[in-house]
Amino acid sequence: AQRVTQPEKLLSVFKGAPVELKCNYSYSGSPELFWYVQYSRQRLQLLLRHISRESIKGFTADLNKGETSFHLKKPFAQEEDSAMYYCALGRGSARQLTFGSGTQLTVLP
Amino acid sequence: GAVVSQHPSRVICKSGTSVKIECRSLDFQATTMFWYRQFPKKSLMLMATSNEGSKATYEQGVEKDKFLINHASLTLSTLTVTSAHPEDSSFYICSARGAGENTGELFFGEGSRLTVL
Repeated sequence: AQRVTQPEKLLSVFKGAPVELKCNYSYSGSPELFWYVQYSRQRLQLLLRHISRESIKGFTADLNKGETSFHLKKPFAQEEDSAMYYCALGRGSARQLTFGSGTQLTVLP
Repeated sequence: GAVVSQHPSRVICKSGTSVKIECRSLDFQATTMFWYRQFPKKSLMLMATSNEGSKATYEQGVEKDKFLINHASLTLSTLTVTSAHPEDSSFYICSARGAGENTGELFFGEGSRLTVL
């Protein structure tokens, strides 16, 4: 069975500090990993996916198959980064998503 | 990006009644839509995969007779909570798979909060 684990429910950092949101997964197939973000009073939206290997809003995430991790990182956090972040694993031909429990990031001024 | 709209955003109903929630893809056609349920301070749990023109595929533990899903057109999927009870109170979210330049990306609705009294 597939599982996505985000060990931190809450994470607070100061503006300008580096931030890392942890995500570990378990899946027997070839994983497709995503990070979704939900800003206050807004809908869930895609932040980035491991296939694209892109940097969005300064965030990057590298898939580490050996450690089964897909941690989200940003070198200098901004106050507008405060949001709920969900790691998700895509599975099956329809690519159903299994979500982690989410990490609420607060960037302090 | 593409837009997915849910209606209603909030609904309150009496125990024993049925409630229908609509999920529409506004500017693209979605052959596949997904329904999620989110409990307070918890993650989104996939309930079912809705396929246009065919029966929905339900996740293990989700009662198909309780949560009726209909995907009658390429832009509309509906979730009907039948004979609702207070334990069905939750936040229901749909998503639709994009097409064209957005192929593969999932777009989420704003969610519908159901409260069963």
